[in-house]
Amino acid sequence: AQRVTQPEKLLSVFKGAPVELKCNYSYSGSPELFWYVQYSRQRLQLLLRHISRESIKGFTADLNKGETSFHLKKPFAQEEDSAMYYCALSAHSGNTPLVFGKGTRLSVIA
Amino acid sequence: EADIYQTPRYLVIGTGKKITLECSQTMGHDKMYWYQQDPGMELHLIHYSYGVNSTEKGDLSSESTVSRIRTEHFPLTLESARPSHTSQYLCASSASPGTGMSTEAFFGQGTRLTVV
Repeated sequence: AQRVTQPEKLLSVFKGAPVELKCNYSYSGSPELFWYVQYSRQRLQLLLRHISRESIKGFTADLNKGETSFHLKKPFAQEEDSAMYYCALSAHSGNTPLVFGKGTRLSVIA
Repeated sequence: EADIYQTPRYLVIGTGKKITLECSQTMGHDKMYWYQQDPGMELHLIHYSYGVNSTEKGDLSSESTVSRIRTEHFPLTLESARPSHTSQYLCASSASPGTGMSTEAFFGQGTRLTVV
């Protein structure tokens, strides 16, 4: 069975500080990993996925198969980054429903 | 405009009532999903469908049922609502690999259900 762990329920950082949201997963096959974000009063939306290897809104995430991790990073946090962040996994290269972590609420303090 | 729509956005209903939460998508996706989410908490998969007349139960046991008679429509029904059903219900859709569309899941705005 697949499992996604986000150890921090709440992360508070100062504006301009680096941010790292942790995500670890449990799955023996070839997963597809995602980060979704939910801003206040908005719908859940995709932030980035590991296969695209893009930087979105300054965020990056690298899949580390050895450590089974997919941490989300940003060098300089902005106030508008405050939101709920969910790490998600799809088994079998995207052919199964997403399994979500419990989410981390990021609060960027001015 | 391609989107995924959920109605109603908010619903307050009495115990024992039958309710149907609507979800429609104009994305051309074959896969659709229902997740249950308590505020600020994790999402739990309750139902999914990979095409017309195909439905499966998710990881979270649910007393709800779903149907998929049309590709674009995936309603969720509670035959007899109870206070324990109070939650937010999120509908999502995605395309299968190999269709030429992105396989990411797109989510609706959600229906916040309160059973009193």
